[in-house]
Amino acid sequence: GAVVSQHPSWVICKSGTSVKIECRSLDFQATTMFWYRQFPKQSLMLMATSNEGSKATYEQGVEKDKFLINHASLTLSTLTVTSAHPEDSSFYICSAAPDPTGELFFGEGSRLTVL
Amino acid sequence: SQKIEQNSEALNIQEGKTATLTCNYTNYSPAYLQWYRQDPGRGPVFLLLIRENEKEKRKERLKVTFDTTLKQSLFHITASQPADSATYLCALGNNDMRFGAGTRLTVKP
Repeated sequence: GAVVSQHPSWVICKSGTSVKIECRSLDFQATTMFWYRQFPKQSLMLMATSNEGSKATYEQGVEKDKFLINHASLTLSTLTVTSAHPEDSSFYICSAAPDPTGELFFGEGSRLTVL
Repeated sequence: SQKIEQNSEALNIQEGKTATLTCNYTNYSPAYLQWYRQDPGRGPVFLLLIRENEKEKRKERLKVTFDTTLKQSLFHITASQPADSATYLCALGNNDMRFGAGTRLTVKP
């Protein structure tokens, strides 16, 4: 199946700093990628839909100035958590699909811990 | 508002039995529904997709049904094994995918 790679797999940072997470589709082009956040024992919450060459679409309640998304190419989307705070600590997962109506392929996730 | 509910947070069954997980939704008309498996600390892995015009799909020991009138999908694992222990997520799709909270299945030897 298709491969989505996410990096870094875990990161620890100090409060107030910014953290960038990369999501790459390795063997297909993705005009759309999705970013999810998952708190312990909870489900995946869609944060935003990343669109290549245009602005991301954010879900209600997600601050676009805090969670900056850039989809600069057909194989790369980045999520930057700006001025991170402890409450931003979570598991962030990206996904993409070769077929827009088909299965989603997920990255391995990035566990962010903000001290 | 749109809701996706998976019937129970946790389900424990004995090895060899059939596990049945339920996914109900409201205020939604998905074009398709998918089931994923998620192991702790990992991203979800796709299992099955069923479209709105399909009633049932099978793949090896897995079976999914989709009733758009009841707004419900059932996910069955037959001849369950301890290796099937994981969290199972249903996801509904149109232009994006939204997930239920998941059911944590434990299959005991």
